[in-house]
Amino acid sequence: DVKVTQSSRYLVKRTGEKVFLECVQDMDHENMFWYRQDPGLGLRLIYFSYDVKMKEKGDIPEGYSVSREKKERFSLILESASTNQTSMYLCASRNSGSGLNTGELFFGEGSRLTVL
Amino acid sequence: DAKTTQPTSMDCAEGRAANLPCNHSTISGNEYVYWYRQIHSQGPQYIIHGLKNNETNEMASLIITEDRKSSTLILPHATLRDTAVYYCIVSPMDSSYKLIFGSGTRLLVRP
Repeated sequence: DVKVTQSSRYLVKRTGEKVFLECVQDMDHENMFWYRQDPGLGLRLIYFSYDVKMKEKGDIPEGYSVSREKKERFSLILESASTNQTSMYLCASRNSGSGLNTGELFFGEGSRLTVL
Repeated sequence: DAKTTQPTSMDCAEGRAANLPCNHSTISGNEYVYWYRQIHSQGPQYIIHGLKNNETNEMASLIITEDRKSSTLILPHATLRDTAVYYCIVSPMDSSYKLIFGSGTRLLVRP
């Protein structure tokens, strides 16, 4: 089975802490994405990456950064966590190869972050 | 803003077909119809997508009307594990990662 694995299902952090959310995919996908999901707001795109060392801002990048040093791994970093970053964070990946691109996204299980 | 309209909730009996409608009257020629579902506390799961022809895979069938203004997702033999929120999205394939989920349809499969 293809798989997107997020490092932590549940995290509790304090305001001001640095938070790392890790995501690994085993499908050799070029594209990877980080979203957050909040009630009533749906999924919002934070950052995405077309390929290794490439990154693009999504709709709500403020307060976040990302790292893609290896193709299979895409990390989301909260430099100084704040209470309004309490949310469910979802990682996804997608193949972008010509002829193979179905547009289908594969999601991880999600990481529920609580910032106190 | 979501470009699709779906009923808020539906239910069906286990073993029966579940037919989930979606209206997308402003769909553009290059936009596909994608369906995802999300089981409580899990990440969304891709189900199926189509452009204008009907599509079928191991999970479901997608029926798109000839004018492409609406579609129906069919789960042929619903099980209790199909209880989830189902999202219909329209998007060009290359920007399909911009998942503008509407409210979705909460499907409850009854024993």
